[in-house]
Amino acid sequence: DAGITQSPRHKVTETGTPVTLRCHQTENHRYMYWYRQDPGHGLRLIHYSYGVKDTDKGEVSDGYSVSRSKTEDFLLTLESATSSQTSVYFCAISEGGLMQGYTFGSGTRLTVV
Amino acid sequence: RKEVEQDPGPFNVPEGATVAFNCTYSNSASQSFFWYRQDCRKEPKLLMSVYSSGNEDGRFTAQLNRASQYISLLIRDSKLSDSATYLCVVNDYSGGGADGLTFGKGTHLIIQP
Repeated sequence: DAGITQSPRHKVTETGTPVTLRCHQTENHRYMYWYRQDPGHGLRLIHYSYGVKDTDKGEVSDGYSVSRSKTEDFLLTLESATSSQTSVYFCAISEGGLMQGYTFGSGTRLTVV
Repeated sequence: RKEVEQDPGPFNVPEGATVAFNCTYSNSASQSFFWYRQDCRKEPKLLMSVYSSGNEDGRFTAQLNRASQYISLLIRDSKLSDSATYLCVVNDYSGGGADGLTFGKGTHLIIQP
């Protein structure tokens, strides 16, 4: 039931290089989110989108940008990767509304060396 | 700053036992509540929503105490497959497209044979 997929699943990149992670959904949900998860911090919101071309910053947005040109795709770009951005990145989707939970993608493990 | 606090554990529990854990939240205006389950190196998955009157789903019972601002999860007749990290999640959504989910860091549960 892969209504949401992330790519790549794993990536190793060098410090200073740009990196783009992709999130693709087939559920036609309005809301899409990018989180990072690190030991001791739990899930932290990076950016989110509430429609095509409508995005906003989350708690830890510095060093990241996003784009949503189509309902189904939400891209996360690390402009110039740093070692502190080594993390597991999760995309999530939601229909919105108070009682709606999120559905998460399988995650991307990013290592910046 | 909105916070959701959980005992990180681990809780080591023999198979077949009952286990309960709580989380507390700081924002008294929080509007909806969830428990997510996360297996090692996997994405979080929605376990159940938490309703004001309390609710049950099979062996799992969730309760909400708004006065004391805590949420609980009870697992009866625990199975080895219940071993996971349980995330407490609070939605402070106030409309306008702003993301409102705050995630706890999780409680690690280990069911022992």
